[in-house]
Amino acid sequence: AQSVSQHNHHVILSEAASLELGCNYSYGGTVNLFWYVQYPGQHLQLLLKYFSGDPLVKGIKGFEAEFIKSKFSFNLRKPSVQWSDTAEYFCAAQMGFKTIFGAGTRLFVKA
Amino acid sequence: EPEVTQTPSHQVTQMGQEVILRCVPISNHLYFYWYRQILGQKVEFLVSFYNNEISEKSEIFDDQFSVERPDGSNFTLKIRSTKLEDSAMYFCASSEGKTEQYFGPGTRLTVT
Repeated sequence: AQSVSQHNHHVILSEAASLELGCNYSYGGTVNLFWYVQYPGQHLQLLLKYFSGDPLVKGIKGFEAEFIKSKFSFNLRKPSVQWSDTAEYFCAAQMGFKTIFGAGTRLFVKA
Repeated sequence: EPEVTQTPSHQVTQMGQEVILRCVPISNHLYFYWYRQILGQKVEFLVSFYNNEISEKSEIFDDQFSVERPDGSNFTLKIRSTKLEDSAMYFCASSEGKTEQYFGPGTRLTVT
């Protein structure tokens, strides 16, 4: 079955802490992978994407993600979070014509 | 920068009424999508549309839903007879090909 799972539903960090959000997908074919962010009251914004090539991709706002094909994973990282990173983060996998989203991870960064 | 737009931003309707949610995709995009997000839940795929026909749809997209590209610029989602459980944020998206999808700001549908 096609699915995307995110390991953490809620994460609380202090400013300057490092962040890693886990994401695994289940699909037998080729996937395009994404991380989206949704700030409170706003719509989905693309953080970064992976289609092919270098499995370490860099996105906006200092975020990066690593695609590990053998683990079907696409984890999101940021070395030092800021209060403004408080938001919900969605991992997504594009499989054919549709994109499957994970359940999301709510990140709260304490100032 | 081009963006996907959606109207209205908030729609309130009574159970059993028909609603039409409107989207204007990015102009050179050929693929169009609808997703929904029930409050507190994840974003769910509803339907994709290409070359004037549905290319894929989910189990959620039953006979009460329909999509249309009536005039070459708008892309609409119609819900024929709304139910309470249709209350959600509905996102339109578009893409050039099987590439990244650009999302609109969403329409919050409230069914009372």
